[in-house]
Amino acid sequence: DQQVKQNSPSLSVQEGRISILNCDYTNSMFDYFLWYKKYPAEGPTFLISISSIKDKNEDGRFTVFLNKSAKHLSLHIVPSQPGDSAVYFCAASAQTSGSRLTFGEGTQLTVNP
Amino acid sequence: SQTIHQWPATLVQPVGSPLSLECTVEGTSNPNLYWYRQAAGRGLQLLFYSIGIDQISSEVPQNLSASRPQDRQFILSSKKLLLSDSGFYLCAWSWGPGPYEQYFGPGTRLTVT
Repeated sequence: DQQVKQNSPSLSVQEGRISILNCDYTNSMFDYFLWYKKYPAEGPTFLISISSIKDKNEDGRFTVFLNKSAKHLSLHIVPSQPGDSAVYFCAASAQTSGSRLTFGEGTQLTVNP
Repeated sequence: SQTIHQWPATLVQPVGSPLSLECTVEGTSNPNLYWYRQAAGRGLQLLFYSIGIDQISSEVPQNLSASRPQDRQFILSSKKLLLSDSGFYLCAWSWGPGPYEQYFGPGTRLTVT
């Protein structure tokens, strides 16, 4: 049972444009959501998070949007840069599961110069 | 600041051989610790998590085991490796109890031949 889904395995955008990465979840108990970035042969790096009491959180070029009714979140990167090329993982946590995270399958983002 | 170490970085082991991967965290005390596996082209699968010394939960039944002999040391072991154990193994830590971001180590690439 895949509780966190990233339906697009890959995304390609031009440098300077917006990248939008999507994530859907099925568990209504999830109340904290995170995005991680991963380069090959490295551990994931935490990017940004959002609590279910908010619908938007910004950090520089990165903005995460949460639509609780649709059980959907998205990560916007503006403007996209070639160094943003990586696999992006969406993750979710529920109060009932303590600090455990459930990860999506990841989306490979390629930013073309 | 906190740092997390994993070793070895890469490992090639024959089927049926034992395994020991080590993870240590510096700069914090009583962290929550996690072992994940990323199979080729897949997402992150939580294998074990620990909220304290000798307090370890297994998420997926398998031939792997985990131990936490010291507060900031987490070890992943196997008595006999299977081909299906190949993958990228990641250790992570977080402040506990959650929900909090998890911070990942550099990972170990394990190839079982």
